[in-house]
Amino acid sequence: SQQGEEDPQALSIQEGENATMNCSYKTSINNLQWYRQNSGRGLVHLILIRSNEREKHSGRLRVTLDTSKKSSSLLITASRAADTASYFCATDDRSGNTGKLIFGQGTTLQVKP
Amino acid sequence: EAQVTQNPRYLITVTGKKLTVTCSQNMNHEYMSWYRQDPGLGLRQIYYSMNVEVTDKGDVPEGYKVSRKEKRNFPLILESPSPNQTSLYFCASRWTGAGGHGYTFGSGTRLTVV
Repeated sequence: SQQGEEDPQALSIQEGENATMNCSYKTSINNLQWYRQNSGRGLVHLILIRSNEREKHSGRLRVTLDTSKKSSSLLITASRAADTASYFCATDDRSGNTGKLIFGQGTTLQVKP
Repeated sequence: EAQVTQNPRYLITVTGKKLTVTCSQNMNHEYMSWYRQDPGLGLRQIYYSMNVEVTDKGDVPEGYKVSRKEKRNFPLILESPSPNQTSLYFCASRWTGAGGHGYTFGSGTRLTVV
């Protein structure tokens, strides 16, 4: 079952603009993570936000977490063509203690030069 | 460089011919996992391993086997591949940081079964 649902599914912007992606999840979490995947390649960890944090920054990335709404957003500021990729949120599977990360379906971001 | 190495990168095989996808990590991580990624279905866990000689099924284990004889290696075995196992496969190992666990992924293996 998919824990994270992401919105929008696809996003196309011009270089220099900001990109915002949203993620909703269903169960309680220890943390929420965002990953980037370039076409057909492995996922790369971007940022982790703990359940007791509301906002976190890393370079041009800003992540927010609202546990009351079970949602998170990823903001990429001043986007570049190299940011073109798919972005996934992921949460840990607290229910089964399997260590599994449950991924959303992803948002495909295209940044036009 | 800390990494997860998968081989091969691409593989085309025929139905029923046994194959192994290798996975190796150099970070001394205890936990490793295999995922498959399919359009519209996202990433689904196949098998995972908490440590050497400890493996367990994920969400879609049918048709797959794994072994964990040593910490660094976690091969994925398809005893009798079928076309529905055509997919993009990822091996990952889990690290622990200040905020929790995260995954380091391999570059992926694109498998086609004809």
